[in-house]
Amino acid sequence: GESVGLHLPTLSVQEGDNSIINCAYSNSASDYFIWYKQESGKGPQFIIDIRSNMDKRQGQRVTVLLNKTVKHLSLQIAATQPGDSAVYFCAENIGGAGTASKLTFGTGTRLQVTL
Amino acid sequence: ETGVTQSPTHLIKTRGQQVTLRCSSQSGHNTVSWYQQALGQGPQFIFQYYREEENGRGNFPPRFSGLQFPNYSSELNVNALELDDSALYLCASSMHGETQYFGPGTRLLVL
Repeated sequence: GESVGLHLPTLSVQEGDNSIINCAYSNSASDYFIWYKQESGKGPQFIIDIRSNMDKRQGQRVTVLLNKTVKHLSLQIAATQPGDSAVYFCAENIGGAGTASKLTFGTGTRLQVTL
Repeated sequence: ETGVTQSPTHLIKTRGQQVTLRCSSQSGHNTVSWYQQALGQGPQFIFQYYREEENGRGNFPPRFSGLQFPNYSSELNVNALELDDSALYLCASSMHGETQYFGPGTRLLVL
């Protein structure tokens, strides 16, 4: 498959450690945020989302934190596994929650899990 | 798997040609959005279709056009292809205003 993110920022973590991927978003009017995972040769895969009326949301092994004051979003992955190796994108919804949504994606971070 | 399918998986065209890409949305979804992803970058929003009408457009020229059919499947058409149109084209299906689920993409190479 093709390579995704040839020159992206890279985070290298050891298997079993926790990973934290950060994202700065641009539009203070954005009210819905999503993290996607993209493996080489595949489309983005939904991981977790959060609305602007929340500052934390947890899923299975993943937690998203939202700091609207500094327009910052982070994705925490607990007990990182080799299968977590991928490029991770944050996306913000500019259309407004419950309306037509146009996602704006960040530049992405490559997560490399070492054994 | 999201249930979103795209065809073809890969294709090669030359400058000036026209191309049509196809997307079948996930069962029950009524909205399709199209994105262009250049190598090493995040996806960029092209446009969205809802109830067979264009419902939002990104910063792409008019030679990028689309259709949505009554079964909610969609086409992306690009006329007068340019070298910079080489990219991965992604479609995402959703219920209107809800989470978007992506297909595997179509890799287009323009020579």
